[in-house]
Amino acid sequence: GQNIDQPTEMTATEGAIVQINCTYQTSGFNGLFWYQQHAGEAPTFLSYNVLDGLEEKGRFSSFLSRSKGYSYLLLKELQMKDSASYLCAVNSGYALNFGKGTSLLVTP
Amino acid sequence: GAGVSQSPRYKVAKRGQDVALRCDPISGHVSLFWYQQALGQGPEFLTYFQNEAQLDKSGLPSDRFFAERPEGSVSTLKIQRTQQEDSAVYLCASSPQTGGSYNEQFFGPGTRLTVL
Repeated sequence: GQNIDQPTEMTATEGAIVQINCTYQTSGFNGLFWYQQHAGEAPTFLSYNVLDGLEEKGRFSSFLSRSKGYSYLLLKELQMKDSASYLCAVNSGYALNFGKGTSLLVTP
Repeated sequence: GAGVSQSPRYKVAKRGQDVALRCDPISGHVSLFWYQQALGQGPEFLTYFQNEAQLDKSGLPSDRFFAERPEGSVSTLKIQRTQQEDSAVYLCASSPQTGGSYNEQFFGPGTRLTVL
């Protein structure tokens, strides 16, 4: 089966740094994706990890440890527009297996 | 430079009605996926097409759900005799890849289905 866990909600202050964790247990692993989803909108791609380590992309970084079944998304210099749901998804073949998403609220 | 489009964006159906949801993928994308997203949840896989071939329909919740992509581009998800538990956002995604590791999927805005 597939099991992908991430916190339901997080709150952080504008300008701060926030880390959203994701743990997974899946029957296969072909990489891990992070998507951002604003309410009522399509998920949009943020990052992809298939090898262990950190991938940096502007204000966003994502880390993967395959041996631990663990990833995190790091958001720096938070802006109000970063308030959204962040979805961790594992590719275990061709389809994506998503976690329930972490709703991030950025406050002034 | 259009992305994935879906129509209608919103659909209200009475219990027992049939509905058809349309997805226009990015031109040239080989792979097409349908996901169901309940309120407050992550998307859940329904079915996968590679060109016109439906390679996986293991996520379809019941035989009331049917999907097709007859010419390898536009896809339709049909739900017969809708039930209240079918209320959700139905997301379509397309990808230029046919599998493997890096298969970034591009999502449409979804169709929000409400069954009364």
